Amino acid sequence: KNQVEQSPQSLIILEGKNCTLQCNYTVSPFSNLRWYKQDTGRGPVSLTIMTFSENTKSNGRYTATLDADTKQSSLHITASQLSDSASYICVVNAFMQGGKLIFGQGTELSVKP
Amino acid sequence: ETGVTQTPRHLVMGMTNKKSLKCEQHLGHNAMYWYKQSAKKPLELMFVYNFKEQTENNSVPSRFSPECPNSSHLFLHLHTLQPEDSALYLCASSLYRGTTEAFFGQGTRLTVV
Repeated sequence: KNQVEQSPQSLIILEGKNCTLQCNYTVSPFSNLRWYKQDTGRGPVSLTIMTFSENTKSNGRYTATLDADTKQSSLHITASQLSDSASYICVVNAFMQGGKLIFGQGTELSVKP
Repeated sequence: ETGVTQTPRHLVMGMTNKKSLKCEQHLGHNAMYWYKQSAKKPLELMFVYNFKEQTENNSVPSRFSPECPNSSHLFLHLHTLQPEDSALYLCASSLYRGTTEAFFGQGTRLTVV
């Protein structure tokens, strides 16, 4: 079982709607948790990075939350756009593993007109 | 653009060929990484270089051979690959190994025939 699990695996929403992606992790302790956006055939691009002491971080229409007690994070996308169609990857930086990045398998988001 | 450049973007090679992937960054970063991304799987860390020294090799087969001549350049030399090695190969860099932000290149889409 992967140390970082994301849900759902895939999601289809209509343009303009909001959505929330989930990330559950077992990595402990950790230095930070990151959300990346990866367009098809391209490299991941960082959206947010939160330390273990932060609860929320926003980047435009993207808002990430972190609950270190329940080991859960979410990424909320507001007023979705067609360009939001991508894979969203949750990544946890494992403090006790030399700062190794542990990747989730990603959520494939498709925004339809 | 993230400041990390990979070439080529696409590569098709036969199982008996020898080829190299190139990655460069001029962000002043000291750590560089190679990742493999297969369909529907989390990114897999292959190699880590910190200040030009290889610090991690995640049980990668010897048909993959990394080279880091300086802190700005990273190569992945390929020989006698197998069809299951077909994947997106991503290079990343960060200021330091561990907790600092990682920036990814666009990736090289490798197909082994």
